[in-house]
Parts: sequence; structure tokens; C-alpha cells
Amino acid sequence: GIQVEQSPPDLILQEGANSTLRCNFSDSVNNLQWFHQNPWGQLINLFYIPSGTKQNGRLSATTVATERYSLLYISSSQTTDSGVYFCAVESGGYQKVTFGTGTKLQVIP
Amino acid sequence: GAGVSQSPSNKVTEKGKDVELRCDPISGHTALYWYRQSLGQGLEFLIYFQGNSAPDKSGLPSDRFSAERTGGSVSTLTIQRTQQEDSAVYLCASSSPGTGGSGNTIYFGEGSWLTVV
Repeated sequence: GIQVEQSPPDLILQEGANSTLRCNFSDSVNNLQWFHQNPWGQLINLFYIPSGTKQNGRLSATTVATERYSLLYISSSQTTDSGVYFCAVESGGYQKVTFGTGTKLQVIP
Repeated sequence: GAGVSQSPSNKVTEKGKDVELRCDPISGHTALYWYRQSLGQGLEFLIYFQGNSAPDKSGLPSDRFSAERTGGSVSTLTIQRTQQEDSAVYLCASSSPGTGGSGNTIYFGEGSWLTVV
């Protein structure tokens, strides 16, 4: 099956700093989503982005499907951004969604 | 409903007992997923239902695990003869694929935290 790797696995930021999280996938995908899991375990969908670029406030995401990667940008980070960020992909003619390994982000004041 | 609803939110059970976890997806969503997440780990796919198609059970870790989805809506995940390694958060999600655009956006419930003692 498709492999989804995220980097870095762990990241510590000072509040106000910017960061880039990366998601690499081993095969072509039909869609890609980014999720944030807060410290209480709740998973929230951030972006549905099979290709191109989207922005939502301080967050933006870019997927380059032909090169099999996606990037999540966090600008002016806040402590509430802490948690784990997952990318998830759907590939082939099949709708099973495979999650990446995750990036654990800690934003310190 | 307004979101994906899961119950119970917390369950402590004795080793060897059976447990049932329930998921009520967003109304109208045809796709339903179960994932498992152990402490500090990623999401492990368990099973996927889409409409009236046969479910994809390829992620179920053993024959002690089973799931059904009645009437294309509510789903129940059953774990028989629970073991300590079954302790995890069981997450349910739903989506509405094929509706175009971001139709396959996945929405998660808050999970059922299972502890086997």
C-alpha cells in the first residue's frame, strides 16, 4: 500500500515563530487532507488539498501532486497550535484513507 | 446530527470481556471509518464502510474484532475477549465522497477511550 511519511517527527517552536511541515507519499493520490490533533485528542480537519495552495488565517498548505509531497505552513505560531499534525491521503480508485506518521508540535511561550 | 458522535467516551473493562463501541456518523454521510490510536502513536486503519458496498476489513488486527453498520448509518465495533494490548482510543470518522470538491473531507468523533485491565 501507499506509504506516507511526515517530517520532522517532533518540533519545538518559540511563540511567534514560523514553521513548515512536510508530507511525502509514495504513490499518486486522489486527495490529501491535513489534520490537527489537539492535546485532548480531538482531530480537526484543516485542509482538503489534493493539489494547489490554500490559506486559512495563519495556516496555509501546498500540495505538489506530481512530486508527491505536501507542505503545511504555520505562521506566527501560538501555544494553541500545539498538538500533532497528520496528513492523510487517498490513492487509487479506492477511498480508504491512509494517515501519515505525524509531526508533534510544541509551541512554548 | 451536527457531528460524529461516539459512545461510550470512556470504557474500562476486564481482560477477557467483550466490548461494543458505537458510532453515529454525520447525517447523510455514506462513508464511515474506524481507526485505532495507541498512546503517542499514529492512526491505525481498522475498517471502512461505503454505502452498500462490502466493507474493507483489511485493517482489523484479529478475528476478535468485528464491525457492522446497520441501515447505512450507525456502526458498532465489537471487540471480543479483550486483551490489554487492545487499550487505545478508537476513533470513528465519516465523509460524503463523490459529492464533488471537498466532499470527501473527513470528520472525526471524539473517540472512545478503552482501557483493558
